[in-house]
Amino acid sequence: DAGVIQSPRHEVTEMGQEVTLRCKPISGHNSLFWYRQTMMRGLELLIYFNNNVPIDDSGMPEDRFSAKMPNASFSTLKIQPSEPRDSAVYFCASVGQMSGEQFFGPGTRLTVL
Amino acid sequence: TQLLEQSPQFLSIQEGENLTVYCNSSSVFSSLQWYRQEPGEGPVLLVTVVTGGEVKKLKRLTFQFGDARKDSSLHITAAQPGDTGLYLCAGDSSWGKLQFGAGTQVVVTP
Repeated sequence: DAGVIQSPRHEVTEMGQEVTLRCKPISGHNSLFWYRQTMMRGLELLIYFNNNVPIDDSGMPEDRFSAKMPNASFSTLKIQPSEPRDSAVYFCASVGQMSGEQFFGPGTRLTVL
Repeated sequence: TQLLEQSPQFLSIQEGENLTVYCNSSSVFSSLQWYRQEPGEGPVLLVTVVTGGEVKKLKRLTFQFGDARKDSSLHITAAQPGDTGLYLCAGDSSWGKLQFGAGTQVVVTP
């Protein structure tokens, strides 16, 4: 079975550019989470969706960040404009309805120069 | 915000030694999960503890949930180099939404 798929795995961009991170959750899972991990702040929840609907976006840092889940098999996290302080590893995780286990993707390492 | 504090932040031991990692909070959690993360990968769930006082064993790993469901510990017996990784605890306060600790980096040298 394919796990959670994220793309790209690495992204290097310049300050001010738009960045789009993509996630394909495990088929059949109905909840999807976006996290950001840095050395300073650890693993932080940005936003999560249940049945494609955003439930809690209180972790989204500011208006430059937005997330969508147009269908059950795809989600995006967009940063526009990007800043150097956005540099981090961004993880997507999905959860099945009957299980509390979060399955994490491999992450996208974002570097904003 | 419910904070989970992990200690120690870093632990370096020799193969064969035992170690314990702690996860503490002032808040009650409905359940607590332990994850291990290796470089370049996402965290992987090791165990979920739900009941206060619960003890779960996974081979050489022993997990305990405090009676008041505010704290937990992970004990590794006879550590091996393959146990090296970042150990994260995560509390579930409302279904599905996890609060992660900062993690404990464990290094086991041969």
